[in-house]
Amino acid sequence: RKEVEQDPGPFNVPEGATVAFNCTYSNSASQSFFWYRQDCRKEPKLLMSVFSSGNEDGRFTAQLNRASQYISLLIRDSKLSDSATYLCVVVVLEGSYIPTFGRGTSLIVHP
Amino acid sequence: DTGVSQNPRHKITKRGQNVTFRCDPISEHNRLYWYRQTLGQGPEFLTYFQNEAQLEKSRLLSDRFSAERPKGSFSTLEIQRTEQGDSAMYLCASSRGDGNEKLFFGSGTQLSVL
Repeated sequence: RKEVEQDPGPFNVPEGATVAFNCTYSNSASQSFFWYRQDCRKEPKLLMSVFSSGNEDGRFTAQLNRASQYISLLIRDSKLSDSATYLCVVVVLEGSYIPTFGRGTSLIVHP
Repeated sequence: DTGVSQNPRHKITKRGQNVTFRCDPISEHNRLYWYRQTLGQGPEFLTYFQNEAQLEKSRLLSDRFSAERPKGSFSTLEIQRTEQGDSAMYLCASSRGDGNEKLFFGSGTQLSVL
């Protein structure tokens, strides 16, 4: 089983739609969680951290479910510019502190 | 520009040749990571440094790969006797290393081995 798993998609949604992605992780000692955005042929860029209580940044909401070992990203009112790959990142904060990436979920927002 | 800088942006080489990539991290960041990414996959961890010390290497990193970070500043990743399977995007990232592992990536080096 991979440490971090994501549905690769693609998720095809119309502008204005709400879309949600999940990411599951296998190591229960994982303590830090992030979502990154990666545009085609570009480097990943930090979108948002994921806090235990859940957090929101504009149209984006991230949540953590420790019991079921998954994190989620909700995008409301999708824009064409949201089209990208969304990467889930998990860090085990003991020992090596290595951020581990999922394979990413592709989102395509169409007019 | 105070971001992470990588060069070259692209490298085309013939199988069997050696290649070296350079990464200049954000100056106040203690940690420097190397990842490799192929199409349709997420970045895969290769190795990382805390200052000048190389603390961990992935099992993916064969003996043909070596990385250095002299003086805890820039880093180099060398691949010897390249193989076609080495073709990938090589990404460098840095972080403060204070336990909050937010990574800041460079633009990457796209390696093509012919």
